[in-house]
Amino acid sequence: GQSLEQPSEVTAVEGAIVQINCTYQTSGFYGLSWYQQHDGGAPTFLSYNALDGLEETGRFSSFLSRSDSYGYLLLQELQMKDSASYFCAVVSSGNTPLVFGKGTRLSVIA
Amino acid sequence: KAGVTQTPRYLIKTRGQQVTLSCSPISGHRSVSWYQQTPGQGLQFLFEYFSETQRNKGNFPGRFSGRQFSNSRSEMNVSTLELGDSALYLCASRGGGPREVAYEQYFGPGTRLTVT
Repeated sequence: GQSLEQPSEVTAVEGAIVQINCTYQTSGFYGLSWYQQHDGGAPTFLSYNALDGLEETGRFSSFLSRSDSYGYLLLQELQMKDSASYFCAVVSSGNTPLVFGKGTRLSVIA
Repeated sequence: KAGVTQTPRYLIKTRGQQVTLSCSPISGHRSVSWYQQTPGQGLQFLFEYFSETQRNKGNFPGRFSGRQFSNSRSEMNVSTLELGDSALYLCASRGGGPREVAYEQYFGPGTRLTVT
C-alpha cells in the first residue's frame, strides 16, 4: 500500500521561512506533488519533483530525496495569505491516481 | 479556459436517502477523479473515469458509484446515505492520456454534503 506522513499543523511568523516535511512509503514511485488549499477553496497545484533536488518557483521551493523517501515544501517570506493547508501527494507510474497525505495546516501569524 | 465546475455546491440530505453529484471537467480533459475530504483525513480517492470507463477505484463501499458521459462530464452517486458520508466531495480533471504522468490535477470547488 501507500502511506504519507506530514505534520498536522505548523505555525510561523510573517516574513519568516517554514518547511513542511513529507515522508512516504509506496511502490512504483514516480514523483511527489504539492497542493495548497485555502479554507473553503479547491486544492491547487504548487509543484512537482520527479528527480532528487530542489525545485524553485518564486517564494516556494520543493525538495525530494528518493533514497530517503522524503520531501519538503519550503515557503519563504511568508505572507498572511499563505495560511492554508498544504498536501503532499505521491505520483506513481502509469495512470494510477494521486495519493494524498492528510495535509498540514499552516497558520501565519503577525 | 473555464475551470472544473461542480453542482450543487451545497446539499443537505437525510440518512437513507441517495444523492447524485455532478462534475464538468476542463474542456479537453478526459480524466475525472473523485475525492472525499473530511477533517483530518485529507483527500481520499474514490474513483477515476477516463473515456467513460472506470480506470481506478479507491477503497470505498459499493454505495459509492460513478459514471462518465461521452462529453467527459461525470456524476457520482451515493446510495443509502450514512452520517459518516458528510464531507466535501471534490472532483478533479486532467488530460489523462496514456503517456501522461498524473502529477497535476485541476480541482473543482467541491460539493459540501451534509447528512442529517
